[in-house]
Amino acid sequence: GQQLNQSPQSMFIQEGEDVSMNCTSSSIFNTWLWYKQDPGEGPVLLIALYKAGELTSNGRLTAQFGITRKDSFLNISASIPSDVGIYFCAGGNNNAGNMLTFGGGTRLMVKP
Amino acid sequence: DSGVTQTPKHLITATGQRVTLRCSPRSGDLSVYWYQQSLDQGLQFLIQYYNGEERAKGNILERFSAQQFPDLHSELNLSSLELGDSALYFCASSYLHTGELFFGEGSRLTVL
Repeated sequence: GQQLNQSPQSMFIQEGEDVSMNCTSSSIFNTWLWYKQDPGEGPVLLIALYKAGELTSNGRLTAQFGITRKDSFLNISASIPSDVGIYFCAGGNNNAGNMLTFGGGTRLMVKP
Repeated sequence: DSGVTQTPKHLITATGQRVTLRCSPRSGDLSVYWYQQSLDQGLQFLIQYYNGEERAKGNILERFSAQQFPDLHSELNLSSLELGDSALYFCASSYLHTGELFFGEGSRLTVL
């Protein structure tokens, strides 16, 4: 089946630093999404991308849908302590009922 | 609050037992998805229902089954439980076929 390779697996950064994480796939997706999961909570949608090459921002977050449709990245600028959590990329295809395939997650830790 | 309600939040049971997890989707959402998240693992897609009908199936074991009722709530039945079934089980719902899923807080199942 489809698999998403998400990297890095974990990051420990200083507050104020910028963060970058990415996701690659061996298959094409029509949709790329980024979710954040706080401890004890369900994942929450951060950004959704629907078009190859699309670059979308949500506050300090910026994500891009790769032109090949096989990759996506998420950047977080000027990190703050509440950015701590696990970030998941997910790829979807309309012809698969929009079942999402999730990456393994990037655990972000921010040192104040 | 995503609007997706899952019960129970925590469940402890013994091997060989059967449990039922319940999910109420966001008001108006027709699709319900079930995902399994094992310790420090990503989200594994189990099954999707759309307006009462099974729409897509992932790596769901034969010991597991699900259904979506006319009022759109869904139940995930896990039987002949094994230690390895211990995990967080998330329900998510969506309205549009965009892949934008809204997750509940999960049901944490512990099999002893």
